[in-house]
This record gives sequence, structure tokens and C-alpha cells, in this order.
Amino acid sequence: DAGVIQSPRHEVTEMGQEVTLRCKPISGHDYLFWYRQTMMRGLELLIYFNNNVPIDDSGMPEDRFSAKMPNASFSTLKIQPSEPRDSAVYFCASSLKRVDAFFGQGTRLTVV
Amino acid sequence: AQKITQTQPGMFVQEKEAVTLDCTYDTSDQSYGLFWYKQPSSGEMIFLIYQGSYDEQNATEGRYSLNFQKARKSANLVISASQLGDSAMYFCAMREYLFGNEKLTFGTGTRLTIIP
Repeated sequence: DAGVIQSPRHEVTEMGQEVTLRCKPISGHDYLFWYRQTMMRGLELLIYFNNNVPIDDSGMPEDRFSAKMPNASFSTLKIQPSEPRDSAVYFCASSLKRVDAFFGQGTRLTVV
Repeated sequence: AQKITQTQPGMFVQEKEAVTLDCTYDTSDQSYGLFWYKQPSSGEMIFLIYQGSYDEQNATEGRYSLNFQKARKSANLVISASQLGDSAMYFCAMREYLFGNEKLTFGTGTRLTIIP
């Protein structure tokens, strides 16, 4: 398996634009997590899914952030409109029940 | 309240010495899992070691061992015979099993630098 695949690896966008981050989890994994990593706040859990169903989105910072998982092999994290303070590395991770999570390479987002 | 606390933002250790990275956690669940991940400067997250709350033995994986003290709610990572390649950020994480769902949260990390 190729592991968790995130795209794009880098994204630079202007403030106010919509940004969509994509994640393909490892086949067969039933959990998918979205994290945001910044120097100030470390790794924050934004939202996680179990069997494509969002379970806990309490970490999503505001209504500008939304996440979907239309099927077991694809998830998106959308920011609309984007702001400079959204600049961070966004990680997607997938796992099976009760074992360690495998992380994607991350998407480095810069909002100017 | 912080679920995972790592009190050492940074550590400098001489090569070949052992190093202990601290982690304390907070949960009211009886069943949970504790993990350590390494993040080198390249940015990827690498799984190192896992300890289940019901495991009686401390977990070990090569040079990594987890010093699990359940009553103190601590899960310190011990790296024996440190190497230059161990320089990285280290994250402690907890997987809580909540009503059939599993949440995985991370501490703020410790930046370990190995000095030659």
C-alpha cells in the first residue's frame, strides 16, 4: 500500500480564497483524522471520522472550516474563506481500531 | 484541560547517553492507548511505540522503551544509547475509546537535540 496520500504538498493562496486539502487513507482503515500543526499550538485534532461518519468536530476552529468523507477512500478539508492565521501544516492520518495511526506527508498551507 | 502534557519543550543530550522524554496524561477511561511518534526535520510523523492501558509489561521496541506508570498517569519514552539521528520532535499521544469511537490527541512535543 502507498500509505496515506495527501494533496497538494504545498499550497500558497491569497486571503479570502477557498482552499481544499485532500486525503486518501490507507485501504481498509476505518478511522481518519485531520490535524493542524503550528509552532504555537502544536498538533491539534480538528475532526475525525469513523467509517466515513464525522464523530467529533469540536477541534474545527470556526465555521470557515469544513470536512467531508464521501467514501472510505477520500476525504477533504475545506477552508472558505482562508485567512493568514490558517497558515500551518495540515496532516491527515488513518488507522484501524485500537492501533497506531499512519500519517500522510502533510500539506503546508500558506495564506498571504 | 490538556489531555496530554509534555513539560520539556526542548532537550539537549550527549550522543550515546540515554534520554527520557516525559509525558503525563489525563483520562477517566479505563481502556486507552498511549503512543509515541517522532517527527524529524523532514516533517513526516513516524510511529515509535505503543502501550495499552491494560498491558502489564512496559512496551519496548529496539532502543525505545515506554516507562508506563498507570497510577501516576505517566508514559515516559526512554531512548537508550542515543544517536545523532534521534534529533527530532517527539510527540506523546493518547487514544481514548469513547462510546465505541476512538479519539487520538497529541501533546505539544519535545524537541530533542543530540550533541556529538
